[in-house]
Amino acid sequence: GESVGLHLPTLSVQEGDNSIINCAYSNSASDYFIWYKQESGKGPQFIIDIRSNMDKRQGQRVTVLLNKTVKHLSLQIAATQPGDSAVYFCAENMGGNKLVFGAGTILRVKS
Amino acid sequence: DTAVSQTPKYLVTQMGNDKSIKCEQNLGHDTMYWYKQDSKKFLKIMFSYNNKELIINETVPNRFSPKSPDKAHLNLHINSLELGDSAVYFCASSLQAGAADTQYFGPGTRLTVL
Repeated sequence: GESVGLHLPTLSVQEGDNSIINCAYSNSASDYFIWYKQESGKGPQFIIDIRSNMDKRQGQRVTVLLNKTVKHLSLQIAATQPGDSAVYFCAENMGGNKLVFGAGTILRVKS
Repeated sequence: DTAVSQTPKYLVTQMGNDKSIKCEQNLGHDTMYWYKQDSKKFLKIMFSYNNKELIINETVPNRFSPKSPDKAHLNLHINSLELGDSAVYFCASSLQAGAADTQYFGPGTRLTVL
Protein backbone atom coordinates (compact mmCIF):
# COMPACT_ATOMS: atom_id res chain seq x y z
CA GLY A 1 0.00 0.00 0.00
CA GLU A 2 0.93 3.64 0.16
CA SER A 3 2.71 3.18 3.52
CA VAL A 4 5.41 0.99 1.94
CA GLY A 5 8.71 2.85 2.15
CA LEU A 6 7.41 5.40 4.64
CA HIS A 7 9.58 5.65 7.74
CA LEU A 8 6.86 6.80 10.08
CA PRO A 9 6.31 5.28 13.51
CA THR A 10 3.97 2.33 13.14
CA LEU A 11 1.52 0.94 15.65
CA SER A 12 0.18 -2.53 14.96
CA VAL A 13 -2.82 -3.64 17.00
CA GLN A 14 -5.17 -6.57 16.99
CA GLU A 15 -8.75 -5.88 15.98
CA GLY A 16 -10.79 -5.20 19.10
CA ASP A 17 -7.86 -3.96 21.17
CA ASN A 18 -7.42 -0.34 22.22
CA SER A 19 -4.90 1.87 20.42
CA ILE A 20 -2.91 4.77 21.83
CA ILE A 21 -1.13 7.14 19.47
CA ASN A 22 1.20 9.72 20.98
CA CYS A 23 2.36 13.12 19.85
CA ALA A 24 4.76 15.71 21.22
CA TYR A 25 4.08 19.31 20.30
CA SER A 26 6.50 22.20 20.27
CA ASN A 27 4.86 25.46 21.32
CA SER A 28 3.77 25.89 24.92
CA ALA A 29 1.57 28.81 23.79
CA SER A 30 -0.48 26.65 21.39
CA ASP A 31 -4.11 26.80 22.43
CA TYR A 32 -5.84 24.33 20.18
CA PHE A 33 -5.00 20.81 19.06
CA ILE A 34 -6.54 18.51 16.49
CA TRP A 35 -6.20 14.87 15.53
CA TYR A 36 -6.62 13.98 11.87
CA LYS A 37 -6.91 10.60 10.17
CA GLN A 38 -5.61 10.18 6.63
CA GLU A 39 -6.54 7.11 4.64
CA SER A 40 -4.65 6.12 1.53
CA GLY A 41 -5.36 8.48 -1.37
CA LYS A 42 -7.57 10.80 0.68
CA GLY A 43 -7.29 14.10 2.49
CA PRO A 44 -6.87 14.42 6.28
CA GLN A 45 -10.17 13.88 8.05
CA PHE A 46 -11.01 15.57 11.36
CA ILE A 47 -11.37 13.14 14.28
CA ILE A 48 -11.38 15.15 17.48
CA ASP A 49 -10.04 18.40 18.90
CA ILE A 50 -9.19 19.82 22.31
CA ARG A 51 -8.53 23.31 23.60
CA SER A 52 -5.75 24.12 26.03
CA ASN A 53 -8.13 24.78 28.91
CA MET A 54 -9.03 21.08 28.94
CA ASP A 55 -6.98 17.96 29.58
CA LYS A 56 -9.37 15.34 28.25
CA ARG A 57 -12.10 15.17 25.64
CA GLN A 58 -14.12 12.17 24.53
CA GLY A 59 -15.84 11.39 21.29
CA GLN A 60 -17.33 8.26 19.84
CA ARG A 61 -14.70 5.55 20.48
CA VAL A 62 -11.96 8.19 20.65
CA THR A 63 -10.44 10.14 23.52
CA VAL A 64 -7.82 12.86 23.36
CA LEU A 65 -5.61 13.61 26.35
CA LEU A 66 -3.57 16.78 26.66
CA ASN A 67 -0.63 17.15 29.06
CA LYS A 68 0.54 20.74 28.84
CA THR A 69 3.30 20.21 31.40
CA VAL A 70 5.24 17.96 29.06
CA LYS A 71 3.66 19.20 25.81
CA HIS A 72 2.18 15.82 25.01
CA LEU A 73 -1.00 14.81 23.25
CA SER A 74 -2.44 11.34 22.85
CA LEU A 75 -5.28 9.77 20.91
CA GLN A 76 -6.94 6.69 22.29
CA ILE A 77 -9.12 4.56 20.03
CA ALA A 78 -11.32 2.01 21.76
CA ALA A 79 -12.08 -1.38 20.20
CA THR A 80 -9.94 -0.70 17.13
CA GLN A 81 -11.45 -1.82 13.84
CA PRO A 82 -9.90 -2.57 10.43
CA GLY A 83 -11.41 0.69 9.14
CA ASP A 84 -9.25 2.58 11.63
CA SER A 85 -6.12 1.65 9.66
CA ALA A 86 -4.65 4.93 8.42
CA VAL A 87 -1.98 7.54 9.13
CA TYR A 88 -2.84 9.70 12.15
CA PHE A 89 -1.59 13.25 12.55
CA CYS A 90 -1.70 15.58 15.50
CA ALA A 91 -1.72 19.30 14.75
CA GLU A 92 -1.22 22.33 16.97
CA ASN A 93 -2.60 25.79 16.35
CA MET A 94 0.30 28.23 16.50
CA GLY A 95 -2.02 31.23 16.44
CA GLY A 96 -4.12 32.83 13.70
CA ASN A 97 -5.32 29.37 12.73
CA LYS A 98 -1.88 28.37 11.49
CA LEU A 99 -1.72 24.62 12.01
CA VAL A 100 1.59 22.81 12.39
CA PHE A 101 1.34 19.08 11.84
CA GLY A 102 3.29 16.31 13.49
CA ALA A 103 5.10 13.68 11.44
CA GLY A 104 2.29 11.13 11.54
CA THR A 105 1.86 7.60 12.89
CA ILE A 106 0.75 4.63 10.85
CA LEU A 107 -1.91 2.51 12.55
CA ARG A 108 -2.23 -1.06 11.25
CA VAL A 109 -5.09 -3.17 12.49
CA LYS A 110 -4.68 -6.93 12.26
CA SER A 111 -7.80 -9.03 11.86
CA ASP B 1 -22.47 17.83 -1.92
CA THR B 2 -18.70 17.61 -1.37
CA ALA B 3 -17.58 20.15 1.23
CA VAL B 4 -14.09 20.95 -0.12
CA SER B 5 -13.35 19.91 -3.68
CA GLN B 6 -10.22 20.15 -5.79
CA THR B 7 -9.46 19.69 -9.46
CA PRO B 8 -7.68 17.92 -10.93
CA LYS B 9 -7.07 14.91 -8.72
CA TYR B 10 -3.94 13.96 -10.67
CA LEU B 11 -1.64 16.21 -12.65
CA VAL B 12 1.39 14.96 -14.57
CA THR B 13 3.49 17.54 -16.37
CA GLN B 14 6.97 18.37 -17.62
CA MET B 15 9.54 20.53 -15.86
CA GLY B 16 9.25 24.18 -16.81
CA ASN B 17 5.52 24.10 -17.48
CA ASP B 18 2.93 26.28 -15.73
CA LYS B 19 -0.08 24.64 -14.11
CA SER B 20 -3.07 25.52 -11.91
CA ILE B 21 -5.01 23.64 -9.27
CA LYS B 22 -8.52 24.75 -8.33
CA CYS B 23 -10.28 24.53 -4.98
CA GLU B 24 -13.85 25.25 -3.99
CA GLN B 25 -15.66 24.98 -0.67
CA ASN B 26 -19.40 25.04 -0.13
CA LEU B 27 -19.27 25.29 3.67
CA GLY B 28 -19.70 29.07 3.78
CA HIS B 29 -16.26 29.40 5.41
CA ASP B 30 -14.29 32.63 5.30
CA THR B 31 -10.80 31.13 5.35
CA MET B 32 -9.06 28.80 2.91
CA TYR B 33 -5.61 27.22 2.86
CA TRP B 34 -3.13 25.41 0.65
CA TYR B 35 -0.93 22.67 2.11
CA LYS B 36 1.85 20.61 0.55
CA GLN B 37 2.38 16.97 1.56
CA ASP B 38 5.71 15.49 0.54
CA SER B 39 6.66 11.87 -0.12
CA LYS B 40 7.30 11.32 3.60
CA LYS B 41 3.73 12.41 4.37
CA PHE B 42 4.93 15.63 6.00
CA LEU B 43 2.12 18.18 5.75
CA LYS B 44 3.05 21.87 5.69
CA ILE B 45 0.98 24.99 5.25
CA MET B 46 1.79 27.17 2.25
CA PHE B 47 -0.84 29.90 2.15
CA SER B 48 -3.99 31.08 3.86
CA TYR B 49 -6.64 33.48 2.58
CA ASN B 50 -9.38 35.09 4.62
CA ASN B 51 -12.25 36.46 2.58
CA LYS B 52 -10.01 36.90 -0.49
CA GLU B 53 -7.14 38.48 1.48
CA LEU B 54 -3.75 36.74 1.94
CA ILE B 55 -3.01 36.24 5.64
CA ILE B 56 -0.39 33.46 5.76
CA ASN B 57 2.49 33.07 3.32
CA GLU B 58 4.98 30.48 4.54
CA THR B 59 8.14 31.34 2.63
CA VAL B 60 6.95 29.64 -0.51
CA PRO B 61 8.86 30.37 -3.76
CA ASN B 62 7.22 33.13 -5.74
CA ARG B 63 6.65 30.65 -8.56
CA PHE B 64 3.60 29.70 -6.48
CA SER B 65 0.81 32.25 -6.68
CA PRO B 66 -2.51 31.71 -4.96
CA LYS B 67 -5.56 33.53 -6.25
CA SER B 68 -8.91 33.89 -4.52
CA PRO B 69 -11.65 35.23 -6.82
CA ASP B 70 -14.19 34.95 -4.01
CA LYS B 71 -14.21 33.48 -0.52
CA ALA B 72 -15.46 30.10 -1.77
CA HIS B 73 -12.56 29.59 -4.18
CA LEU B 74 -8.80 29.47 -3.77
CA ASN B 75 -6.71 28.49 -6.77
CA LEU B 76 -2.99 27.74 -6.87
CA HIS B 77 -0.94 28.63 -9.93
CA ILE B 78 2.59 27.28 -10.23
CA ASN B 79 5.04 28.69 -12.77
CA SER B 80 8.16 27.00 -14.14
CA LEU B 81 7.51 23.69 -12.43
CA GLU B 82 10.49 21.90 -10.88
CA LEU B 83 11.03 18.26 -9.94
CA GLY B 84 10.86 19.19 -6.25
CA ASP B 85 7.32 20.48 -6.69
CA SER B 86 6.11 16.90 -7.01
CA ALA B 87 3.84 16.34 -4.02
CA VAL B 88 0.21 16.11 -3.01
CA TYR B 89 -1.39 19.53 -2.59
CA PHE B 90 -4.34 19.87 -0.24
CA CYS B 91 -6.82 22.68 0.00
CA ALA B 92 -8.62 23.27 3.30
CA SER B 93 -11.12 25.70 4.75
CA SER B 94 -12.21 26.89 8.18
CA LEU B 95 -14.93 29.11 9.50
CA GLN B 96 -12.81 32.18 10.12
CA ALA B 97 -9.25 33.34 10.56
CA GLY B 98 -7.71 34.39 13.85
CA ALA B 99 -9.68 31.79 15.72
CA ALA B 100 -8.99 28.20 16.56
CA ASP B 101 -11.41 26.61 14.13
CA THR B 102 -11.35 23.15 12.64
CA GLN B 103 -9.88 22.97 9.17
CA TYR B 104 -11.60 20.70 6.66
CA PHE B 105 -9.49 19.25 3.91
CA GLY B 106 -10.14 18.46 0.28
CA PRO B 107 -9.21 15.14 -1.37
CA GLY B 108 -5.85 16.40 -2.65
CA THR B 109 -4.17 16.89 -6.03
CA ARG B 110 -1.21 14.64 -6.76
CA LEU B 111 1.26 16.62 -8.86
CA THR B 112 4.03 14.75 -10.64
CA VAL B 113 6.71 16.76 -12.41
CA LEU B 114 8.77 14.78 -14.92
